[in-house]
Amino acid sequence: GAGVSQTPSNKVTEKGKYVELRCDPISGHTALYWYRQSLGQGPEFLIYFQGTGAADDSGLPNDRFFAVRPEGSVSTLKIQRTERGDSAVYLCASSQARVTEAFFGQGTRLTVV
Amino acid sequence: DAKTTQPPSMDCAEGRAANLPCNHSTISGNEYVYWYRQIHSQGPQYIIHGLKNNETNEMASLIITEDRKSSTLILPHATLRDTAVYYCIVRALDNDMRFGAGTRLTVKP
Repeated sequence: GAGVSQTPSNKVTEKGKYVELRCDPISGHTALYWYRQSLGQGPEFLIYFQGTGAADDSGLPNDRFFAVRPEGSVSTLKIQRTERGDSAVYLCASSQARVTEAFFGQGTRLTVV
Repeated sequence: DAKTTQPPSMDCAEGRAANLPCNHSTISGNEYVYWYRQIHSQGPQYIIHGLKNNETNEMASLIITEDRKSSTLILPHATLRDTAVYYCIVRALDNDMRFGAGTRLTVKP
């Protein structure tokens, strides 16, 4: 595709539910990043993939958060037992290599009610 | 943890140069300086990056001091569409991008 695509653009879920957020990176980009952004703050790093493997998951806040990238392309961020504090915009980015520029998607706005 | 310090906000007159400072006094020899910006309700957008030499592209210029402890992003002729939050990020090739709070630049007519 022309850019990084994230679906859905908006997601409202009830506290305690499970959600999946999808990221389609730019074709051929091996590096993929997930961030979350709360209102008025900069993006907070969650996890980085190089190919299929999570090269750095040190930003995941707890074990309710998990991400996969099974074929080295599409990635899914999974959040179990959602809490109201998980409400944020979740951003995905991809790049050809770590040193090159990263392209961001428009984000998924998650609201936990 | 962000390794950079930026002013929380700045104003600039339309048509003038916008000079956005960034302090990174603990930068290591293998770390690059990256700049991104985020326009309201959009994902961050890459602007420019450099290691130690000054860099220029169609969007901006990046001036890095000789000791590499600070840098300045220059938008030569700011327009209203340049109003955004600008993030200065320091990272090595084997590290991830960690964003700070950035500088909110407001371009005024």
